[in-house]
Amino acid sequence: AQKVTQAQTEISVVEKEDVTLDCVYETRDTTYYLFWYKQPPSGELVFLIRRNSFDEQNEISGRYSWNFQKSTSSFNFTITASQVVDSAVYFCALSEPYSGNTPLVFGKGTRLSVIA
Amino acid sequence: ETGVTQTPRHLVMGMTNKKSLKCEQHLGHNAMYWYKQSAKKPLELMFVYSLEERVENNSVPSRFSPECPNSSHLFLHLHTLQPEDSALYLCASSQDPGGVGPNEQYFGPGTRLTVT
Repeated sequence: AQKVTQAQTEISVVEKEDVTLDCVYETRDTTYYLFWYKQPPSGELVFLIRRNSFDEQNEISGRYSWNFQKSTSSFNFTITASQVVDSAVYFCALSEPYSGNTPLVFGKGTRLSVIA
Repeated sequence: ETGVTQTPRHLVMGMTNKKSLKCEQHLGHNAMYWYKQSAKKPLELMFVYSLEERVENNSVPSRFSPECPNSSHLFLHLHTLQPEDSALYLCASSQDPGGVGPNEQYFGPGTRLTVT
């Protein structure tokens, strides 16, 4: 069975600090997809990144970076120089590969508070 | 309108009422989803529609009844709900790539439902 664990329930940092959100997943599939979503106070989930299991290169997008390590089944998310606007709940999710509309299995989310 | 919209944004209903939640996507996608987000619980998939046909019903009680009249619209009909059904109901859409692997889902802002 698929499972996503986000062990950090809440994190609080001061603006400009770097912060890493952890995500550990379980799957028996050799091909799978991982996602990160951001849920600001307005409610809608905002897509951040999709990564397939064959692409282990780390990715950087502005202040955001992702570290995918198959050996430890982790897909961690780092925000560099955090800003107040980064305050949100962040979800990591996992999906099986064989159906285009396969549902996502979400972690419980990590609430990030960035204090000015 | 762009993206995924949901109405109403907030709904308070009694246990004997009948109401409907509406979702509309303006992205040209061919798959739509209903999720339930309760406090301190992971996002739970409720229903998946692909090409207007239901492809997944994740053991949801019959008091929730989905309807997908076309690829742009999705409804969730509610009747005789329980207080524990109070939650944020999120709609999402994606483009089914036809077996290549799941594309990212785009979410609406949700309907905050309170059952009294």
